[in-house]
Amino acid sequence: DAGVTQSPTHLIKTRGQQVTLRCSPISGHKSVSWYQQVLGQGPQFIFQYYEKEERGRGNFPDRFSARQFPNYSSELNVNALLLGDSALYLCASSLASGSFYTQYFGPGTRLTVL
Amino acid sequence: SQQGEEDPQALSIQEGENATMNCSYKTSINNLQWYRQNSGRGLVHLILIRSNEREKHSGRLRVTLDTSKKSSSLLITASRAADTASYFCATDGDLYDKVIFGPGTSLSVIP
Repeated sequence: DAGVTQSPTHLIKTRGQQVTLRCSPISGHKSVSWYQQVLGQGPQFIFQYYEKEERGRGNFPDRFSARQFPNYSSELNVNALLLGDSALYLCASSLASGSFYTQYFGPGTRLTVL
Repeated sequence: SQQGEEDPQALSIQEGENATMNCSYKTSINNLQWYRQNSGRGLVHLILIRSNEREKHSGRLRVTLDTSKKSSSLLITASRAADTASYFCATDGDLYDKVIFGPGTSLSVIP
């Protein structure tokens, strides 16, 4: 069975630009979460979506937005990119919402903002 | 601020030795999880321990949880070079659907 997939693998953008990252969950999983991981730190929670509704949001500015589609795939959008947005963006899927459910992570998208 | 804090930040051991990593957290939790990450790639789930459990085993992994001290430990026995990775503990946060990761312990196993 395919795991969580993310695209693209790497991305280079310049300050002020906008970026869209994509995530496909494991088949049957209805919950998708997004994390930002800056080099040398643990992942920071950005969003969780379940059944196409936002279930949780971390301490990130409104420049960050996300959505979940009917097939449970998800997109993360970041507007007006800053240098500090350079990070590994991780997507995780789980069967349902709630921290009791194991999250399965994708390989991540490495975003570099110049 | 982060809920979990791993200790030590970095650990270097010889192959075959045991590795112990600790995690402390601040507020009450429903469960605690440990993850492994190789070279900045995706995280791999290792084990979940619920707040009413004290110890769990999975292969060479042993996790303990002491809710009175708000701490957990991960023991890897008979370490291998392939265990070289960063290890993170993660707890549920103030929101039911939120998972909070600590800064991680970087483990190096020397062949």
